[in-house]
Amino acid sequence: QSVLTQPPSVSAAPGQKVTISCSGSGSNIGNNYVSWYQQLPGTAPKLLIYENNKRPSGIPDRFSGSKSGTSATLGITGLQTGDEADYYCGTWDNSLINVVFGGGTKLTVL
Amino acid sequence: QVQLVESGGGVVQPGRSLRLSCAASGFTFSNYAMNWVRQAPGKGLEWVAVISYDGSNEYYADSVKGRFTISRDNSKNTLYLQMNSLRPEDTSVYYCAKDSGYSGRTSRFEYWGQGTLVTVSS
Repeated sequence: QSVLTQPPSVSAAPGQKVTISCSGSGSNIGNNYVSWYQQLPGTAPKLLIYENNKRPSGIPDRFSGSKSGTSATLGITGLQTGDEADYYCGTWDNSLINVVFGGGTKLTVL
Repeated sequence: QVQLVESGGGVVQPGRSLRLSCAASGFTFSNYAMNWVRQAPGKGLEWVAVISYDGSNEYYADSVKGRFTISRDNSKNTLYLQMNSLRPEDTSVYYCAKDSGYSGRTSRFEYWGQGTLVTVSS
């Protein structure tokens, strides 16, 4: 059971928009920055979003992040088949003194 | 360009030890905290441990505390994970990941290695 809760799967058609939620608590999301990672099949994770809503260089603006209270959301617009991947949220937890990840969400682009 | 190359994985019997290495290049290794993250087959990401830029602070997941030790050699630009008393549930791909800062109390992992597979089985 992961400390951060994500939906196991989401799906949408090419060109559409999808959001992935990440729910935590005051000891983690509520008081720390959230990061989001994309993991394409058979590859290492890749940083998509950091500090809740910032994108590393090279990440298209189709990817966005937001945070409110103890929840965070990843948004992806203009879906492409190449976006099919597993997506993970992560943050520091002040009580566990650990990095915690969500269980991951599998995105299917129908 | 930043490169992280893990090595040392393999098949090991339960209760035995293994040491993983991560060779870093393309950045000033001694300025950044470094992490180990693992992923069991078909499962999600699990953070394992972090070490601060100078090795003065280490933090561990409860699942490995007391069995695993993270360390670094800044003169060799290399990160290590000493894994003792291995269990079948430690079977995973182990990734090293560069932190964005020096202390390690973040989840911003800018670069990842390709991973090394550790299989614990009799």
